[in-house]
Amino acid sequence: NAGVMQNPRHLVRRRGQEARLRCSPVKGHSHVYWYRQLPEEGLKFMVYLQKENIIDESGMPKERFSAEFPKEGPSILRIQQVVRGDSAAYFCASSPRGPAGVRTDTQYFGPGTRLTVL
Amino acid sequence: AQTVTQSQPEMSVQEAETVTLSCTYDTSESDYYLFWYKQPPSRQMILVIRQEAYKQQNATENRFSVNFQKAAKSFSLKISDSQLGDAAMYFCAYRSGGGADGLTFGKGTHLIIQP
Repeated sequence: NAGVMQNPRHLVRRRGQEARLRCSPVKGHSHVYWYRQLPEEGLKFMVYLQKENIIDESGMPKERFSAEFPKEGPSILRIQQVVRGDSAAYFCASSPRGPAGVRTDTQYFGPGTRLTVL
Repeated sequence: AQTVTQSQPEMSVQEAETVTLSCTYDTSESDYYLFWYKQPPSRQMILVIRQEAYKQQNATENRFSVNFQKAAKSFSLKISDSQLGDAAMYFCAYRSGGGADGLTFGKGTHLIIQP
């Protein structure tokens, strides 16, 4: 069984460019979460999505950041006009749907994408 | 808002010994979940153990066990018979039982295993 897949593993961008991070959840998982980890810090929740819906984006910066989880294909975290402060590791996690469509409590993480902004 | 505090930035233990990592949290909720995740140098986040707040029995997974003290809002991780492969960052995390879905993480404890 494949776990959560993220690509690319490493991404280098210059200031002002766009970064696109992809996440394929565990097969059969319908809930996706994005987290950001700054150096020497714990992970910070950014956004929670289900297929074609953003459920909770309370941790997303208000500008330049967006996320989607289309009906087909991976979830995408998009950062426009990147700045040096966006340099971090970005983790995706997924969880399965429990009874009656309720998400279960355990989240399974991908290997992360390390974004470096020059 | 919930907060998770790990007061030990770094811990060191001799191989085969036992070590306990501390975690406290602050919440006004009664229904929630607690987790310990391990992050080795590969940076992959690996679930170590989970605990439901409504369960009084402490969770155990092989050499890993927790001491869950709900009234004190404490959730420590005990690693028995420490092995070199246990060396990693360990993160304590909280998730609400019914509201916000994202995990709230502590800042982590760096565990060093001395051979």
